[in-house]
Amino acid sequence: GESVGLHLPTLSVQEGDNSIINCAYSNSASDYFIWYKQESGKGPQFIIDIRSNMDKRQGQRVTVLLNKTVKHLSLQIAATQPGDSAVYFCAEVTGANSKLTFGKGITLSVRP
Amino acid sequence: NAGVTQTPKFRILKIGQSMTLQCAQDMNHNYMYWYRQDPGMGLKLIYYSVGAGITDKGEVPNGYNVSRSTTEDFPLRLELAAPSQTSVYFCASSTPGARGVAFFGQGTRLTVV
Repeated sequence: GESVGLHLPTLSVQEGDNSIINCAYSNSASDYFIWYKQESGKGPQFIIDIRSNMDKRQGQRVTVLLNKTVKHLSLQIAATQPGDSAVYFCAEVTGANSKLTFGKGITLSVRP
Repeated sequence: NAGVTQTPKFRILKIGQSMTLQCAQDMNHNYMYWYRQDPGMGLKLIYYSVGAGITDKGEVPNGYNVSRSTTEDFPLRLELAAPSQTSVYFCASSTPGARGVAFFGQGTRLTVV
């Protein structure tokens, strides 16, 4: 089975609100965790990553939080915009060859 | 800069036919990967390569073959296509030590009928 999964298949938010996308993982040995964004008809695109020895990392309008105690990862998007509408995947990176294991994905829908 | 280029974008195959999905990258990345994405699902690793002449199986390799004769190209071969191979296929590349940050192609949508 998959070692990375997402709690909810869809998330609908109002434009301008903050979005929080959650992810659970099971492999304690993962080195990094990555969030990818996939727009319709395109390949996944890197958003932000976090190393396993960190709790929080911020980017432009995005923040990733890692809770190793409960094996939980979240992506926070501030002031969600229509362009944020996409499928979001969390992925974990393991091993010397940096293999990615993806979760199922959650669709973020932004209401105008 | 083209990045990762996949061809074709769409293809319909009949059961039992074979085909090769092409993938090329111009970033001089050592690592290359093939994933498949079924509807409503995440990506599953089919095969990967850490350099020319080296390939390894991923999570779902059955029914596929790969080769890596150059750094730039990583073709995926389907022999005896089956309906279960209907999916969107993504090729990706990365550099060693890139912490798994991979660049993806646009995908090939394959339907086996």
